[in-house]
Amino acid sequence: DVKVTQSSRYLVKRTGEKVFLECVQDMDHENMFWYRQDPGLGLRLIYFSYDVKMKEKGDIPEGYSVSREKKERFSLILESASTNQTSMYLCASRGSGGNQPQHFGDGTRLSIL
Amino acid sequence: GQNIDQPTEMTATEGAIVQINCTYQTSGFNGLFWYQQHAGEAPTFLSYNVLDGLEEKGRFSSFLSRSKGYSYLLLKELQMKDSASYLCAAAPGTGNNRKLIWGLGTSLAVNP
Repeated sequence: DVKVTQSSRYLVKRTGEKVFLECVQDMDHENMFWYRQDPGLGLRLIYFSYDVKMKEKGDIPEGYSVSREKKERFSLILESASTNQTSMYLCASRGSGGNQPQHFGDGTRLSIL
Repeated sequence: GQNIDQPTEMTATEGAIVQINCTYQTSGFNGLFWYQQHAGEAPTFLSYNVLDGLEEKGRFSSFLSRSKGYSYLLLKELQMKDSASYLCAAAPGTGNNRKLIWGLGTSLAVNP
């Protein structure tokens, strides 16, 4: 079974802090994704990576950056946290091939105070 | 543009059958995924269709019509634990097809 592990289930940070969300997958997948999910807005893609050190912007990259130094690990960074970044953050990984599904971690519920 | 439409909410009765529809518009097409998401949990993969027709997996089946840009998820013998959000996601076939186009989800309530 694919295992995608996110470092925290719940996190509370203060406005202006730099926040790191970590994600690790154990299936040697090339592709990794960071989403946020808000009521009524569905899943929105922040960034994704298709290889080590490679990244592409998703639909809402503003205020975020990412890092992928190793194949199994994909980090999301909130450069200066703001209250509108309070959300559920979901990491996913996917193997190559069009029929491969995305596998999600349990999510991090982040609150910015 | 690219988009996916699915109903926001549905209700059904335990033991019944429910069909959740999804229509999509994408630049190219490389398959359609269905996911289930219980409240407070991550989405889990249910099915993938790339060819026209019906794919059956136990109580769940998924149908695709590429010419109509249409899919549905059929849930039979509904159980209370099927109360969840069901997400439809399409894989575009052009450009970078690693991304999926996601619907907003259909919240299904199963009543006793």
